Amino acid sequence: QSALTQPPSASGSPGQSVTISCTGTSSDVGGYNYVSWYQQHPGKAPKLMIYEVSKRPSGVPDRFSGSRSGNTASLTVSGLQAEDEADYYCSSNAASNIVLFGGGTILTVL
Amino acid sequence: QLQLVESGGGVVQPGGSLRLSCAASGFTFSNYGMHWVRQAPGKGLEWLAFIHNDGSIKYYPDSVKGRFTISRDNSKNTLYLQMNSLRAEDTAVYYCAKIFPGSGWTFDCWGQGTLVTVSS
Repeated sequence: QSALTQPPSASGSPGQSVTISCTGTSSDVGGYNYVSWYQQHPGKAPKLMIYEVSKRPSGVPDRFSGSRSGNTASLTVSGLQAEDEADYYCSSNAASNIVLFGGGTILTVL
Repeated sequence: QLQLVESGGGVVQPGGSLRLSCAASGFTFSNYGMHWVRQAPGKGLEWLAFIHNDGSIKYYPDSVKGRFTISRDNSKNTLYLQMNSLRAEDTAVYYCAKIFPGSGWTFDCWGQGTLVTVSS
């Protein structure tokens, strides 16, 4: 039951695109479709941004997109804006009916 | 509108117990599974427990199995987390979260969290 692996930090300039990876195994990210991404601003609760690998909940800008290749899921933020600066966490369900989170990635808008 | 409000946090001594509550409003609570997730100071998110909408099914990670118990009272629209044998490493903000419709392992609405501090 190891956590998923995310880079500790990522950055980009306004208007640019940035991609955050989330690496697991065939027993979690690569084997199930319940991969999600959450945005968390300081002192706030997390907010769902992507679910089931690539679906966007109502109200989330289409600048946010998700994908997966093998055991690695990715979140891409296009057209970076200042308000996108936050912590981002991936999650996946896994064998034995558990949920794993990634360690989180701090996204900085330069 | 949909709202989740946690309560019951505070300071507790190592080895002690605490019960957290999560009051739900703005949706039909009895129709949705619920989760507890925590976040230690300056750290990432950790999933703690899931309960089916009718309370019949519960899941936990090995890290808290046997110490933490999730439950719910659908007549009171309230979710609970009973925590026993608390340790310093249980110090965290505890969130309740509602599942996304049709996607039980996705958290689509979170409370504001309640802080639990385990210290002597």
